[in-house]
Parts: sequence; C-alpha cells; structure tokens
Amino acid sequence: GAGVSQSPSNKVTEKGKDVELRCDPISGHTALYWYRQSLGQGLEFLIYFQGNSAPDKSGLPSDRFSAERTGGSVSTLTIQRTQQEDSAVYLCASSSLRQGLNEKLFFGSGTQLSVL
Amino acid sequence: GEDVEQSLFLSVREGDSSVINCTYTDSSSTYLYWYKQEPGAGLQLLTYIFSNMDMKQDQRLTVLLNKKDKHLSLRIADTQTGDSAIYFCAERNYGGATNKLIFGTGTLLAVQP
Repeated sequence: GAGVSQSPSNKVTEKGKDVELRCDPISGHTALYWYRQSLGQGLEFLIYFQGNSAPDKSGLPSDRFSAERTGGSVSTLTIQRTQQEDSAVYLCASSSLRQGLNEKLFFGSGTQLSVL
Repeated sequence: GEDVEQSLFLSVREGDSSVINCTYTDSSSTYLYWYKQEPGAGLQLLTYIFSNMDMKQDQRLTVLLNKKDKHLSLRIADTQTGDSAIYFCAERNYGGATNKLIFGTGTLLAVQP
C-alpha cells in the first residue's frame, strides 16, 4: 500500500481479554517497529523487527505482550489478559533500513486501545 | 542510558517564532530527529541533523545542535495555526542487535490566531 496501515483504528475491550493489533508496513520495508504512546509518556519503544526476526524486544513491558512478523511483511502485536494500564495508542512504523546510514521511519495512524 | 526530555507545552501567537527544546543523553547518537504528530495521525518526519553539524536550516525550520550540552532545538519561523501539533525529538540508538529511535515525551505546540 501507499503507507503504513494499522487495524483496527480503535479497540475497546474488557479487562482480562486478549487483543490482537495488526500492522501492514510499506511494501519492501525490511524494518518494522512497534511503539506505545500514553498521555504524558511520549513514545515508548516496544519491539523492532528486521525481516521476520526481532533482534530487540527489550521494550515489551511484560510477558503478556508478544509480537510476530510473517513473510517479512505483516506484524501482529498481541496483548493477553489486558489490564487498564495497557490503554494507549499503539503505533507501528516501518523503514527501508540501510545499515549504518540514516533512515526515515514511516508511521501508521495507530490503534487506540481502551481497556475497561 | 537512553533518555530524551522535552518540555510538555508551548503556546505562541500566529506569526511569532516558536522554539522547542530537547535534551538527550546518548552521546554516541549519530542522527537526531524532529517528528510532528497532528491530531489523530501518526508521526511524520520534519527534519533531522547529523551529529557533526551545529545547525541545519530547511525553509521555516532551523535545527540547532549543541553536542557538548546534548541539547537540540527546533525553531519554527512565522508560526502558523497549521503548525499546531505535538513535536517529538528523537535520537537514533544503533549498535549490536538494536536499531531504534528513542523519542522524547513530545511538546504540544498551540498556536493562537
């Protein structure tokens, strides 16, 4: 597609339920990132994919959070047993990574997750 | 450690200049960035500066980098109401297994007509 696409754009769920958030990066982009944006917290790095592997998942807040990427394209972020503190906007970004050089991240519009 | 800090809010009048400040901690950062987020949208890259530069100008935008103090600023000349948005500075953390941008908390710029 023309840009990074995320779905759903809004998700309301009950505490304790599992949710899946999807990201379709720009075609051909090898690097994919997930960030979380909470009020007053800025953008919090969650995980970075290069191809289908995740060399840096240091930002995942707990073992309730997991992510995968298949075919070097679509990525899914899964949150199990959601808690109210998981409420945030989850942003996905992709880039055509060139090792050691500058890279520009292209962001999706995000998924607004609300846990009641 | 990795930490990027910004003031949370800035209000200016239309036509004035805006200056948004940022401090970072990773002295090995090679590139520093400014991103803009409009309401309900993702982030868009505004401009960036390489760490061996002191200043970069791009139309109404001027980026100043003080590497000694690890201080970055974004000046917007002749600020317009359309510039109202959240502005994030970011440093690139690259090395070993990782390659990621570390973002600040964001500065909400409100432009009064």
